[in-house]
Amino acid sequence: GAGVSQTPSNKVTEKGKYVELRCDPISGHTALYWYRQSLGQGPEFLIYFQGTGAADDSGLPNDRFFAVRPEGSVSTLKIQRTERGDSAVYLCASSSGLAAYNEQFFGPGTRLTVL
Amino acid sequence: SQQGEEDPQALSIQEGENATMNCSYKTSINNLQWYRQNSGRGLVHLILIRSNEREKHSGRLRVTLDTSKKSSSLLITASRAADTASYFCATGSGGYNKLIFGAGTRLAVHP
Repeated sequence: GAGVSQTPSNKVTEKGKYVELRCDPISGHTALYWYRQSLGQGPEFLIYFQGTGAADDSGLPNDRFFAVRPEGSVSTLKIQRTERGDSAVYLCASSSGLAAYNEQFFGPGTRLTVL
Repeated sequence: SQQGEEDPQALSIQEGENATMNCSYKTSINNLQWYRQNSGRGLVHLILIRSNEREKHSGRLRVTLDTSKKSSSLLITASRAADTASYFCATGSGGYNKLIFGAGTRLAVHP
């Protein structure tokens, strides 16, 4: 595709509910990243995929957060038992490979609001 | 945790003036990148400078990197109202270029 796409663009849910956020990376990009951006802050790293496997999930805040990328393309970030503190913009990025100097291309983000 | 710290947190200038933003970081890096974010929209990559480079230009943008001081600066020359946005530095490290962002500088350019 032309760029990284994320759906939905906005998600409002109630405390305790389960949500899924989807990321569709640029075609052919093997590396995929999830970040979370709270209001007034810079994005914070959550998880990195190379292909289908999560190479680094050290940024996931707790075990309520989980992400998958079963076919090495689309990724889904799953949040169980949502809390108000989970409210943020969730950003996805992809890049063309593992190299240390590859640019990451960001999607428009999903704004999650937990009431 | 965030590694980069931008300075200033906010900057207000007139169109045509230059804008300088600074970024400091703490650990060794592969590269340092600058991004722009308009209100409510995604991050746009501006420029990447590698750890073995000292200066890089792209259009009206000039980035410097001083690894001995663990700092970088972004200069936007002849600013325009359309440059109004938040600017973030991000350091890339590790074999897969995990990015660590600062809190950003909010730039307002007035016509």
